[in-house]
Amino acid sequence: AQSVTQLDSHVSVSEGTPVLLRCNYSSSYSPSLFWYVQHPNKGLQLLLKYTSAATLVKGINGFEAEFKKSETSFHLTKPSAHMSDAAEYFCVVSSAGGTSYGKLTFGQGTILTVHP
Amino acid sequence: DVKVTQSSRYLVKRTGEKVFLECVQDMDHENMFWYRQDPGLGLRLIYFSYDVKMKEKGDIPEGYSVSREKKERFSLILESASTNQTSMYLCASIEGETQYFGPGTRLLVL
Repeated sequence: AQSVTQLDSHVSVSEGTPVLLRCNYSSSYSPSLFWYVQHPNKGLQLLLKYTSAATLVKGINGFEAEFKKSETSFHLTKPSAHMSDAAEYFCVVSSAGGTSYGKLTFGQGTILTVHP
Repeated sequence: DVKVTQSSRYLVKRTGEKVFLECVQDMDHENMFWYRQDPGLGLRLIYFSYDVKMKEKGDIPEGYSVSREKKERFSLILESASTNQTSMYLCASIEGETQYFGPGTRLLVL
């Protein structure tokens, strides 16, 4: 079984300040982990993914995430927020193997608000 | 670019109607998925298919069925729509470990 918990339902930051979106996971297998972003009235877009290579993963638009096995965490960060980062972000874990290959479990989502 | 399309962006149906949501992908992917998205709940998996005519239940299959007659097309069926099925429905296909999502269908059941 696998699950994902996003620790904050809403995060509010000022433009130019750092962003931290927190995610904890549980998985029976070595997981693959993802962050997706969804802008208002837009489809889901992949930000970055971890698939057992480097633990620090760089994604698009300046975002990165660090896989910490000991803490079962995969927090998303960005050094400096931009107004265009305002969106909903989903942390996702993927199962491994068999016919469940590619089955994703989503967190509840974190809405990021960026103030001028 | 991978393209996943869904037949409707918005749909309004009445309670008890049979509803078909269509999804088509153009990259010959074997695995396809149907999710529903509700505020505060993220995306929840309804059904998935890993080959033509093959299907598996996801986490919330009750009230839904699916059809995969051709590799590129995966249909979600609401046999008798109910108001609690009002939601955003998202289709996806997979390449490697990356899922590609369609734009979604926002369904309102009155």
